[in-house]
Amino acid sequence: QSVLTQPPSASGTPGQRVTISCSGSSSNIGSNYVYWYQHLPGTAPKVLIFKNDQRPSGVPDRFSGSKSGTSASLAISGLRSEDEADYYCAGWDDSLSSVLFGGGTKLSVL
Amino acid sequence: QLQESGPGLVKPSETLSLTCTVSGGSISSYYWSWIRQPAGKGLEWIGRFYPSGSTHYSPSLKSRVTMSGDVSKNQFSLKLKSVTAADTAVYYCARMSSLGWFDPWGQGIPVTVSS
Repeated sequence: QSVLTQPPSASGTPGQRVTISCSGSSSNIGSNYVYWYQHLPGTAPKVLIFKNDQRPSGVPDRFSGSKSGTSASLAISGLRSEDEADYYCAGWDDSLSSVLFGGGTKLSVL
Repeated sequence: QLQESGPGLVKPSETLSLTCTVSGGSISSYYWSWIRQPAGKGLEWIGRFYPSGSTHYSPSLKSRVTMSGDVSKNQFSLKLKSVTAADTAVYYCARMSSLGWFDPWGQGIPVTVSS
C-alpha cells in the first residue's frame, strides 16, 4: 500500500473536468514538492506537473496541479479520449529518505 | 533519449544487470534514476546515481542495489542481487532533476525472474 494515496480509478466524458487526488503526510506532500506523471501502457511515463503546479513546455494548459497541506490534486479540463491513461503523483519523503509514487489512478474517458 | 538494455530473463538468486544508454547529452551533470513497475502495480523508485559516484537507494532495496556509471560511454547501470519473482517488472531509467522529478524516461525493459 502506497504512502501516497490515490483513488484507483476515475472517469469522465469528453469535455468534462476531472480531478485526481493524492493524499500524503507532513513528511512528504506537507513539506516537499509534488509531481504528476501520465503513463500510457507500453510507453514511457511523462511528467505533467512539477513543483506542485508548474507545467513543462508542451503540456496543455488543460492539465493543472495544486497542493494544500498534505494533499495534492491534478485537474484535467476539457477531457479528451487521448487522456485515457494511468496518472501517478510522486514526491520526496523526508522520513523514508526516498522518492514515493502514489498507487496510480486509471482514468477512463467514457 | 534514454535506452535500457540487458537480459529479459534472470534466474532466482542471481543478479539482475541493466544498462541505460543516454544520447543527446552528457550524463556528467545530472542525477539519473531507475524506476520499476511490476505487472498490474504502480511505479517504484529504486534509487539515483550521480556521475561523481554519489548514490542514494530506496530503503526497501538498499541492501541489494548498486548503481554506477561510465561517463566515457555515457551510460549508467543497475545491479540488483539475489533476485526473486517479486523483482519481475518493467524497469525504466530516467533523468532526475535536482528537485526530484523524472524527465525524460526510457521506454522501459521487461525483466522476468524465473528458472
